[in-house]
Amino acid sequence: DGGITQSPKYLFRKEGQNVTLSCEQNLNHDAMYWYRQDPGQGLRLIYYSQIVNDFQKGDIAEGYSVSREKKESFPLTVTSAQKNPTAFYLCASSTWDTRTSGDTQYFGPGTRLTVL
Amino acid sequence: AQSVTQPDIHITVSEGASLELRCNYSYGATPYLFWYVQSPGQGLQLLLKYFSGDTLVQGIKGFEAEFKRSQSSFNLRKPSVHWSDAAEYFCAVALYNNNDMRFGAGTRLTVKP
Repeated sequence: DGGITQSPKYLFRKEGQNVTLSCEQNLNHDAMYWYRQDPGQGLRLIYYSQIVNDFQKGDIAEGYSVSREKKESFPLTVTSAQKNPTAFYLCASSTWDTRTSGDTQYFGPGTRLTVL
Repeated sequence: AQSVTQPDIHITVSEGASLELRCNYSYGATPYLFWYVQSPGQGLQLLLKYFSGDTLVQGIKGFEAEFKRSQSSFNLRKPSVHWSDAAEYFCAVALYNNNDMRFGAGTRLTVKP
């Protein structure tokens, strides 16, 4: 099956620890994204990557880091510098559709991070 | 500033009734428009999208949406709601590409039996 996988589904972290969330896609999509979702709010963009070995900050990048060493993988590290990391994290990927001249994001199932 | 507004935080409808979820945007040009649905604890599933052309767009699960340029709106509709439609619905807008996609705060749909 083609799709986007995120692991783990639930993650618990102690204050002061760094944690890494995994995101893998086998859709052969060029672009990948990380979003944070808090209750009652829409999604906010943390980082995105359009090609391998390149990534850009989104609206709320502080306290987070990413890498894009392979096209199919885009891990997110939540560092101890992130003051309020408890949230639901969603990974997405997209590719340009020449037929519709548009770009559509497809999402993974998410990881719920809780800081203890 | 670019923004997306979903005016209704929570909507309750009876099963079998019609549904309309509102979405308004504030952009300088016509953006790309999307509706996603999210079940509790899950990722987002794409319902439908509008890039250009026919302003009435058909999606999955019997949903449709109409783009109205004059009203800067992209409302989601379904003629007859099923209990399984209970979820959170997000409108999303992107101007040039997905790097600048903006999401509304979401509308939670409850379906009464």
